Amino acid sequence: QAVMTQPASLSASPGASVSLTCTLRSGINVGTYRIYWYQQKPGSPPQYLLRYKSDSDKQQGSGVPSRFSGSKDASANAGILLISGLQSEDEADYYCMIWYASASVFGGGTKLTVL
Amino acid sequence: EVQLVESGGGLVQPGGSLRLSCTASGFTFSNYDMNWVRQAPGKGLEWVSYISSSGNTIYYADSLKGRFTISRDNAKNSVYLQMGSLRAEDTAVYYCGREWHYWGQGTLVTVSS
Repeated sequence: QAVMTQPASLSASPGASVSLTCTLRSGINVGTYRIYWYQQKPGSPPQYLLRYKSDSDKQQGSGVPSRFSGSKDASANAGILLISGLQSEDEADYYCMIWYASASVFGGGTKLTVL
Repeated sequence: EVQLVESGGGLVQPGGSLRLSCTASGFTFSNYDMNWVRQAPGKGLEWVSYISSSGNTIYYADSLKGRFTISRDNAKNSVYLQMGSLRAEDTAVYYCGREWHYWGQGTLVTVSS
C-alpha cells in the first residue's frame, strides 16, 4: 500500500473553493509530518506552494497567493491543500510530499481541472 | 535569484552510465541540502536522492538499489548524480532541488537501444 494517496483528478468551477487531499497510510500519523505541496503545469518543473504541519509550523512559498493554504484532517489522517477563489491558471497537477523513514515520498498527484 | 541548471542528460543504451550535474547560483550553495527528483513521461514525481549541505549525509530511494551515487562540490556550487546500470524505466526528466523549495528546469535522460 502506498505511503500517501491522492485522488487522481478533481474538477471545480472558477471562483469556487476546492480541497485537495493527501491521505496517509494507516499507521502513519499525519500529525507527525510536515506536508509539502507542489503545483506542476505541463512542461514545467514543480513549483513549491507551501508546507503545513500545524498552525504554528507552516510556511508559504515565496510569491504564492494566500488563497492557497494548508491544513490537516486528523480524523481522515490526511493533509489538505485548500485553494479558494479558483482561477483558470490553477489548472495543474498537484503533488503532496513528506519526509518518511529517511526518504522523501510523493503522492501520485491530483489533476485539477478548472471548468 | 535562485537558479539551478541541470545538464548531462541524453540518450544512453541500457546498461550504460551517465553523470548529471546541477550548477547553482543566487544563494550560498554550501548552506543548503540538495535533492534529485525524477519524472517519467506522463507520470508523477519520484524522489531519487538527498545530500546534506556538508555532503556527510546521503539518502537514496530504495528502488535504485545502489545504482546511483549523489555527490557535491561546494567549491563549484554543484551537485552530481552518477547513474549506472541504466534501465528503460530510468527514462525521465531529472530535476535537482534546493532542499524542497526550488527546482531546476530538469534534464531529460532517455535509456533506449
